[in-house]
Amino acid sequence: DTGVSQNPRHKITKRGQNVTFRCDPISEHNRLYWYRQTLGQGPEFLTYFQNEAQLEKSRLLSDRFSAERPKGSFSTLEIQRTEQGDSAMYLCASSLWEGGRVNSYEQYFGPGTRLTVT
Amino acid sequence: KNEVEQSPQNLTAQEGEFITINCSYSVGISALHWLQQHPGGGIVSLFMLSSGKKKHGRLIATINIQEKHSSLHITASHPRDSAVYICAVSNFGNEKLTFGTGTRLTIIP
Repeated sequence: DTGVSQNPRHKITKRGQNVTFRCDPISEHNRLYWYRQTLGQGPEFLTYFQNEAQLEKSRLLSDRFSAERPKGSFSTLEIQRTEQGDSAMYLCASSLWEGGRVNSYEQYFGPGTRLTVT
Repeated sequence: KNEVEQSPQNLTAQEGEFITINCSYSVGISALHWLQQHPGGGIVSLFMLSSGKKKHGRLIATINIQEKHSSLHITASHPRDSAVYICAVSNFGNEKLTFGTGTRLTIIP
C-alpha cells in the first residue's frame, strides 16, 4: 500500500510519561504535516517539514513537543511529560510540493494516532 | 471569529434528499479543500478547488472567490454518506491547512 501510515493507531499512557508517534508519508512526497484534533473540533496545524527541514511550528507546539524528519522520509512526533490536555487524535499528512502548480496542494492523510492520557 | 466557518454543524436528512453544506472563510487562500472523516478518524480528501466547480459522482463542490464562500452538495444522499464533512483552506507558501469545525451529516434510511 502506498498511502500514509501512522503508528501506533492507539496509545494510552499515564500522565507524565513520554510518547512517540511515527508517520510514514507517501514515498515521493517531500512535505509532511502534523495536525492535532480534539473531540468535536476540526484539526489544528502543529508543524510541517519540507524534506528534512522543519519549516514552521505552531504556537500550539509547546516545548514538550518535538518533531523530526531525519532523512526526509518518515517523521516522529514526541511528547514529553504528557498531560491530560494532550489527549487527542494526532494526524499526519503528506504532499508533493512543486512550487506554484495547483496539484501540489493536495494533502493525503494517514489514519491518525489516538492518544489518551490518563 | 474563526478563519473558517461551516454551517450547519449537524445535519440529519432522509435518504435521497439533496444536501448542502456551506463554508465561509476570511483569509486569502491558495485552495479550498473538502474532506470527509468517518468514525475512527481517517480523513479522505474529496475536493481541492481554487475556482469554479468540481463534480465527482454524486458530490459537487463550488467556490466563489469574491464572496469567500464554498458549498458542498450531495445529490441522492445515501446512508453511507453519513460522516463528518470538513472544509479547510490552504495558505500560500506553506500550504498548511486551516480547518472548519466540521458538519456531522446523518442520512436516515
